[in-house]
Amino acid sequence: GENVEQHPSTLSVQEGDSAVIKCTYSDSASNYFPWYKQELGKRPQLIIDIRSNVGEKKDQRIAVTLNKTAKHFSLHITETQPEDSAVYFCAASIAGGTSYGKLTFGQGTILTVHP
Amino acid sequence: KAGVTQTPRYLIKTRGQQVTLSCSPISGHRSVSWYQQTPGQGLQFLFEYFSETQRNKGNFPGRFSGRQFSNSRSEMNVSTLELGDSALYLCASSLGQGDRGYTFGSGTRLTVV
Repeated sequence: GENVEQHPSTLSVQEGDSAVIKCTYSDSASNYFPWYKQELGKRPQLIIDIRSNVGEKKDQRIAVTLNKTAKHFSLHITETQPEDSAVYFCAASIAGGTSYGKLTFGQGTILTVHP
Repeated sequence: KAGVTQTPRYLIKTRGQQVTLSCSPISGHRSVSWYQQTPGQGLQFLFEYFSETQRNKGNFPGRFSGRQFSNSRSEMNVSTLELGDSALYLCASSLGQGDRGYTFGSGTRLTVV
């Protein structure tokens, strides 16, 4: 089955710096890649997603890039703020067949933004 | 519009008991997926229901089961609880195409003692 590896497990940056989190996936059939932010004691919230027919997507300070050949995708956060501190999860999914509804998650990255 | 609602928020059960968790998806969403979140294993997929049919199942023992009703609400049942079942159980709702955003509920924190 699909396997998603996420790095780094912890990331500490100064306010205003950029943060990059990287994920690799194993199943070349994966075609949907969402990123979730989970604050302590709260539910995971979708912050950005990308489909396999797109190489890059941006939403204000957040961007995601996808390299299908290398089977990896990355989250980029620019001008980080203390409120960006949370656990970030990448995930991969195969839309269709018997794989509906199944997101395979990375292990998470604890991002800490220091004021 | 209302988000995904999970009840109860917290549960404490004894080993050997069974438990039922509930998830009401966003209005119009026909797909409900369930996940177990633990510090050691992260987020793991349990199963997915769409229009009352289970379309996909993860690698969990048969003690974990679910169902979906005609109004798209879903329940998850765990029988013969073990200490290792202590976790945050999250459900996520979506339209069901598999390539759109999944919206998570706030979860049910289950503690087995």
